[in-house]
Amino acid sequence: QKEVEQDPGPLSVPEGAIVSLNCTYSNSAFQYFMWYRQYSRKGPELLMYTYSSGNKEDGRFTAQVDKSSKYISLFIRDSQPSDSATYLCVVGSNFGNEKLTFGTGTRLTIIP
Amino acid sequence: EAGVAQSPRYKIIEKRQSVAFWCNPISGHATLYWYQQILGQGPKLLIQFQNNGVVDDSQLPKDRFSAERLKGVDSTLKIQPAKLEDSAVYLCASSGGPTRSPNYGYTFGSGTRLTVV
Repeated sequence: QKEVEQDPGPLSVPEGAIVSLNCTYSNSAFQYFMWYRQYSRKGPELLMYTYSSGNKEDGRFTAQVDKSSKYISLFIRDSQPSDSATYLCVVGSNFGNEKLTFGTGTRLTIIP
Repeated sequence: EAGVAQSPRYKIIEKRQSVAFWCNPISGHATLYWYQQILGQGPKLLIQFQNNGVVDDSQLPKDRFSAERLKGVDSTLKIQPAKLEDSAVYLCASSGGPTRSPNYGYTFGSGTRLTVV
């Protein structure tokens, strides 16, 4: 079983739609959770991070973590063509250790 | 703040040849990582340096891959001899910024796309 499971997509939605991206993890030792965005031919960049269960909102983006079910979600409201990218679910077990475990990524396309 | 610099951007080699990639991290970042990202997959950590010492190289295929970080700043990753399955993007990342920065300023470079034919 992979440590982080993520639906690879691809996912295509019309502009303005709400996007829901999901992943699950297997190890309860993971204590902090991130979403990275990766544009084509670029390195991943940190989009959002959180340490606790619940919701964290940043503009049009909301990260949701449920530690009891080991489930992580990212919601994008009012999706824009510029949101088209691969979204990577990433977990870490020790903030000081800085070792990250990546999901496979979901490729998202927003259709104008 | 300058980002993580990597070169070359692209490289095409024949199998059994050797290749080297270079990375210059963000100034002051003590930790440097090399990742391999195969098409359609998430990045996989190959090696992690803390200053010029190796912290984790458990997933580095040591029979053909080697990496060094002399003087604790920039780093090179070498593959010798290359195999077809080494075709991937090789990403370098660094971290170690102020603790108030999200994830200690963990930042990726744009990567080197390697094609082995």
